[in-house]
Amino acid sequence: GNSVTQMEGPVTLSEEAFLTINCTYTATGYPSLFWYVQYPGEGLQLLLKATKADDKGSNKGFEATYRKETTSFHLEKGSVQVSDSAVYFCALSRSNFGNEKLTFGTGTRLTIIP
Amino acid sequence: GAGVSQTPSNKVTEKGKYVELRCDPISGHTALYWYRQSLGQGPEFLIYFQGTGAADDSGLPNDRFFAVRPEGSVSTLKIQRTERGDSAVYLCASSPSTGVTEAFFGQGTRLTVV
Repeated sequence: GNSVTQMEGPVTLSEEAFLTINCTYTATGYPSLFWYVQYPGEGLQLLLKATKADDKGSNKGFEATYRKETTSFHLEKGSVQVSDSAVYFCALSRSNFGNEKLTFGTGTRLTIIP
Repeated sequence: GAGVSQTPSNKVTEKGKYVELRCDPISGHTALYWYRQSLGQGPEFLIYFQGTGAADDSGLPNDRFFAVRPEGSVSTLKIQRTERGDSAVYLCASSPSTGVTEAFFGQGTRLTVV
């Protein structure tokens, strides 16, 4: 079945550091890939997505590229801020439709210190 | 309302009791999802409604779990004979039915079975 393996956390970085959170997946066919973020006290919200191979999703300075050859969708940001502190979830769905059921990774807690 | 609303935000119940968790989706969203998030894990899919009908209930763990959406809007997740292992955060999400779009999540109901 479908599965998502996500970098173990927690991750603690200094402000302005470079961030990478690794995500790899197992799926049949051509899934869509997502990063969701959960800020303290808030619900999950979509950060970015990519629906086909070599697509790059980007939002709020974060980027992730859909790599079919390595079945990966690593999240990166060049210079993190304290406000980026949150839990990040990698997820996939079976189709192009983001409203299909999602399979999530276990989440990575990110803490940015000033 | 502006977003997906879930009530109650917290629920403590005794082992063996029956509980109902409510989800009020974004107005006009025809797709509705329930997920369960255990401590330290990512959300796990439970059930998906398209309108009033359950389009996919493959994630319900056993027959103690049941969900309804009688008028295609508000949904109730029902758990009979609760067990301590049912303790988790139950998340609801909704989305428009068509197109490449995202699911919007509520803040969840934290269920504790004692």
